[in-house]
Formats: sequence, C-alpha cells, structure tokens
Amino acid sequence: DTAVSQTPKYLVTQMGNDKSIKCEQNLGHDTMYWYKQDSKKFLKIMFSYNNKELIINETVPNRFSPKSPDKAHLNLHINSLELGDSAVYFCASSLQGTASTQYFGPGTRLTVL
Amino acid sequence: AQSVTQLGSHVSVSEGALVLLRCNYSSSVPPYLFWYVQYPNQGLQLLLKYTTGATLVKGINGFEAEFKKSETSFHLTKPSAHMSDAAEYFCAVSEGSGGADGLTFGKGTHLIIQP
Repeated sequence: DTAVSQTPKYLVTQMGNDKSIKCEQNLGHDTMYWYKQDSKKFLKIMFSYNNKELIINETVPNRFSPKSPDKAHLNLHINSLELGDSAVYFCASSLQGTASTQYFGPGTRLTVL
Repeated sequence: AQSVTQLGSHVSVSEGALVLLRCNYSSSVPPYLFWYVQYPNQGLQLLLKYTTGATLVKGINGFEAEFKKSETSFHLTKPSAHMSDAAEYFCAVSEGSGGADGLTFGKGTHLIIQP
C-alpha cells in the first residue's frame, strides 16, 4: 500500500496555464506539506497544513495555493504558470510535532514550456 | 532562523570503504535533526533522526549519525559502503516550536560508490 501518493507523476504544460497536483496519504497523519525541489536538487518548504493552521513560506508566490478537502488530502493549485515553476514538487505528511518523521510522496515533475 | 550546511556536494568512496557525509546546523533552540536519502527519480526516505536522548543514532541500511552539540554537527557514517548506497543524501533540521513546521534542508550530498 502506498503511504503518500501524488498524481500526476509528470506534468508538462504551457506558460500561463493553471494546473493542480493531488496528494493523498493513508497513514492517518494530521499534518501535510508541500516542498519544491529545484534543478540543483535543493528542497524548500512551501506550505505546511494541519486542521488548525496553514503556514505559508513567505517566499512562495500567491499563485500557489494549497487546498485540503479533508485530512488525508492536500492538493496544490498553481495559477498562471511561469517557466521558473518548473521543478519537482513533493508532498509529505506526518503527525503534528516537530520531532515527527515526515513521509514523502514520489514527487511530481512539473515542466513549464 | 535555522539553517543546514552540508560540506561537499559530491563525495566519492570505494566500495567497502568508510562513508562520511558532513552536516552542520544552526538553530536558536535545541534542534531535531534528520538524514534522508533520495534514490534517482524517487521521493525521500528517512535514514535516521535525532530528537532527544542518546546522541549516537542508528538508522536503516547500516547508517548512523552522532549529534555533537558543541560542534553543531550531525555527520552521517557507514563503516562499509555498498554499491546500493549511491544516492543523494539530505540533512535537515526542525526547530521545536510545536507547530506544523516544515523541515529546513541542506543542499544535499551526492554519494558516488566506486567499484
């Protein structure tokens, strides 16, 4: 059974389009995250979310918005895609608490043309 | 603000040799420290973590790391490298603020195993 899953695995799109990436976890966790990994493999937190609060990294453009229909899902919606948005996006989940292990999904490789 | 520095973007060792990947952190509060491994085209997998207690932490696949507060270090070691250890390794820190905090990652170290 896949613990943290993401769809799609690959996403190729044109500049200016709007796209969504879906994330689901079946671990019973209450906190979910989105990370961006750039072409140099640097990982940076974008959002973290539990049922109480959304924490947004201040460097993330407001074209990016997380949407959580329930505790097991945290989708990432991106408006007006730009070339610089090309990256691998990872979803992760954990129990609340900074010592908790975060479990990562397989990633979604986004290419903006 | 917390930060992580991984010395050496690439480390090459011979199969059977000692693996040493260096990680130094900066944190204003006692940190929680993690090592993750990423195999090509895959997500990240936890190798080990330090929260409290024993400073020598053992993880999966024969890896271990030692938390040294005086040196603000959390270096990862493995006594004998195997070809399957070739991957990208990330050190990460999380500060104990209790909220839904993300991890702050180092820039990663690409481990190359020579036959």
